[in-house]
Amino acid sequence: QSVLTQPPSASGTPGQRVTISCSGSSSNIGSNTVSWYQQLPGTAPKLLIYSNNQRPSGVPERFSGSKSGTSASLAISGLQSEDEADYYCAAWDDSLNGVVFGGGTKLTVL
Amino acid sequence: EVQLVESGGGLVQPGGSLRLSCAASEFTFSSYAMSWVRQAPGKGLEWVSSISASGRSTYYADSVKGRFTISRDNSKNTLYLQMNSLRGEDTAVYYCAKLGGSGWPRGYYFDYWGQGTLVTVSS
Repeated sequence: QSVLTQPPSASGTPGQRVTISCSGSSSNIGSNTVSWYQQLPGTAPKLLIYSNNQRPSGVPERFSGSKSGTSASLAISGLQSEDEADYYCAAWDDSLNGVVFGGGTKLTVL
Repeated sequence: EVQLVESGGGLVQPGGSLRLSCAASEFTFSSYAMSWVRQAPGKGLEWVSSISASGRSTYYADSVKGRFTISRDNSKNTLYLQMNSLRGEDTAVYYCAKLGGSGWPRGYYFDYWGQGTLVTVSS
């Protein structure tokens, strides 16, 4: 059972916009910034979004992040086949004194 | 481009010990906090431990506290994870990650990852 809650799966067709949610509490998302990671099959995770809505250089503008209260979201617009991957949210938890991850969302491009 | 190369994984019996290393290059290692994150087979990501740039401040997940020790040698650009009293549930790929951000430790994120090293705990 992960501290941050993500839907286990999501799907969309090429060109569509999909959103992945990440629900937490006042001790993590509610008081700290959220980051998102993309893990392609058989590879190491890669930073996608940091500080709630900032994209590292090299990450396409199709990827965007937002946060409201104790929840965060990752949106992917113009879905492409290469976006098929697992996506994880993460944040510091003040009660646990450590980083907590969501359980991950497997995105399928139909 | 930042490079992080883990080593030291392998098969170990329950109750045994192992030390993982992460060789860092292409950035000023001594200026950045670092972390270990693991992933059990077919499972999600789990944060293990973080260490400040100087090495004076460390944090651990409850699941490894008292058994694992994170450390660094800034003169060798190397991060370590000493793992003792290993259990079956410690079986995972262990990733070394560089931390970016500010406001240690709350505002940090994992901006670069190594390729991982597999630790298998089994008799």
